[in-house]
Amino acid sequence: QKEVEQNSGPLSVPEGAIASLNCTYSDRGSQSFFWYRQYSGKSPELIMSIYSNGDKEDGRFTAQLNKASQYVSLLIRDSQPSDSATYLCAVNVAETSGSRLTFGEGTQLTVNP
Amino acid sequence: NAGVTQTPKFRILKIGQSMTLQCTQDMNHNYMYWYRQDPGMGLKLIYYSVGAGITDKGEVPNGYNVSRSTTEDFPLRLELAAPSQTSVYFCASRTRGHYGYTFGSGTRLTVV
Repeated sequence: QKEVEQNSGPLSVPEGAIASLNCTYSDRGSQSFFWYRQYSGKSPELIMSIYSNGDKEDGRFTAQLNKASQYVSLLIRDSQPSDSATYLCAVNVAETSGSRLTFGEGTQLTVNP
Repeated sequence: NAGVTQTPKFRILKIGQSMTLQCTQDMNHNYMYWYRQDPGMGLKLIYYSVGAGITDKGEVPNGYNVSRSTTEDFPLRLELAAPSQTSVYFCASRTRGHYGYTFGSGTRLTVV
């Protein structure tokens, strides 16, 4: 079982729609969860972090966390063509030698004008 | 404040050659990481460091070595380059108590 799994893409939505990106993780002890956006040929950019069950909103972005179900999601409201990118889910895994982020394989989102 | 700086941005190596990918951060971050990203894939952890003088292996350390002699620098060494090491390499750092990473711009390496 992969440590972090994301819904397979690519995902295509029309401009103005809600894009929903999903992620599940295997380590029940994980406490920190992140969404990164990566434009083609660029480095990942942190857009959301969430640590507690429930929703966290930042502008058009909402992250949702359900630790009991080991599930994290990202909603993008009023999607814009500039949101077209690959979205990476990352989960912090604690180890004796230090913590590290484990990444999913990413979901490619295309927003069509 | 430059953040995380990686050099070079692009490199072509021949099989069997060696090289060092440089990574420097000016944010006084204790934690530094090297990831590789193959086309259409997520990031795989190669090595990480929790402070100067301390390094540890990640998921895919074979064929690589690191050192951390200062807080600022975390170079990644490739010995005897192989085609399987063709990838984009990202260096990242974070500060203690904050788990989101700052990434460098990446090094695109091709081994032929």
